[in-house]
Amino acid sequence: GAVVSQHPSRVICKSGTSVKIECRSLDFQATTMFWYRQFPKQSLMLMATSNEGSKATYEQGVEKDKFLINHASLTLSTLTVTSAHPEDSSFYICSARGALNTEAFFGQGTRLTVV
Amino acid sequence: AQSVSQHNHHVILSEAASLELGCNYSYGGTVNLFWYVQYPGQHLQLLLKYFSGDPLVKGIKGFEAEFIKSKFSFNLRKPSVQWSDTAEYFCAVTGGQAGTALIFGKGTTLSVSS
Repeated sequence: GAVVSQHPSRVICKSGTSVKIECRSLDFQATTMFWYRQFPKQSLMLMATSNEGSKATYEQGVEKDKFLINHASLTLSTLTVTSAHPEDSSFYICSARGALNTEAFFGQGTRLTVV
Repeated sequence: AQSVSQHNHHVILSEAASLELGCNYSYGGTVNLFWYVQYPGQHLQLLLKYFSGDPLVKGIKGFEAEFIKSKFSFNLRKPSVQWSDTAEYFCAVTGGQAGTALIFGKGTTLSVSS
């Protein structure tokens, strides 16, 4: 199957700083990318949907000014957690789908710890 | 609202036992259904998927699932589990269009003892 690469896999940052997470589709063009958040022992909660070249659509309850999403190209989307707080510590996962492929491929996830 | 319900939170089985994990969904229109597995410390892997056609879908590692439209269900089965099947299992649903996100159930933890 197609490959989605997410970087970094782990990051520790100080409270108040910003962290950028990258999600790349390595062998296909991802028309749409999705960002999920997974709490320990819980399911994946959809945060936002981003289409290349347009603004992301955020799910209810997700602060768009805190979680900045950029999908500037068909192979790259970034999630920036701004002014991070300890409660933002979580596992963030990106997913990508191509224009003609209804299957979604997932990155390996990023473990964010805010101290 | 779109949702996925997984009935079993934690299932404990002995090796060679049969497995069935329940999944019901609520989604208007055409649906695509998936089962993903997440092994400890690893990322999500696709077990199987249903888009259309034969409602009995066979996936990797001996897993299968049956789409029953009248029951809005997509239960996962395996005739004989192995210790290596210990993992978290997620059922997911999405619409037929490429731009829609997958909605996940809360997951089922499967523990298999040898």
